[in-house]
Amino acid sequence: EIVMTQSPATLSVSPGERATLSCRASQSVSSNLAWYQQKPGQAPRLVIYGASTRATGIPATFSGSGSATEFTLTISSLQSEDFALYYCQQYTDWPLTFGQGTNVEIK
Amino acid sequence: EVQMLESGGGLVQPGGSLRLSCAASGFTLSSYWMHWVRQPPGKGLVWVSRINSDGSSTSYADSVKGRFTISRDNAKNTLYLQMSSLRAEDTAIYYCAKSGHCISSHCYFYHDYWGQGTLVTVSS
Repeated sequence: EIVMTQSPATLSVSPGERATLSCRASQSVSSNLAWYQQKPGQAPRLVIYGASTRATGIPATFSGSGSATEFTLTISSLQSEDFALYYCQQYTDWPLTFGQGTNVEIK
Repeated sequence: EVQMLESGGGLVQPGGSLRLSCAASGFTLSSYWMHWVRQPPGKGLVWVSRINSDGSSTSYADSVKGRFTISRDNAKNTLYLQMSSLRAEDTAIYYCAKSGHCISSHCYFYHDYWGQGTLVTVSS
């Protein structure tokens, strides 16, 4: 199975600053990469699919980039509602696999 | 508005069975592949199973293969997960999740909508 590795595990950022999250795949997933946001007690929410396409309702402060094995989620100016757990997921091959998550916390 | 509502979770003894349901509304269930994803307490997301749009094809994570069965009733707009021979390590919140868009015959399997989840606890 394709192993997804996220870094860092925790990212401490001040409101208004930029956050950069990384996700690496153990083999190429082309652009079949999604990012999800999850807040405590809530279901995950799709943020990015196709490595760089924002999901419905996601603000332009979120951007995704990368292809093959290296991907990045950037939040250009963190708002209070953006502090959460973020997971990447590959959907190029079965089983679908998620990274272990990056917790974006308030510095 | 797309909504998915899971039900059927609860406390079950090891070796027992449980059937989860996911009632979908706001979209045409029969047009989309559907998935179950689980999340053990305090841990990350794990894909469990998927079913194609007409129910003729399924696949499973190795950890549940032979024990879990995914199915759907498009007429009732409902997705199911039959779980048997349950183990302590199956304890998790179970989410149903809708697949993304399809172009011609090619579908993309990100999850654009999720239910709120139902908790399954396997314990004696």
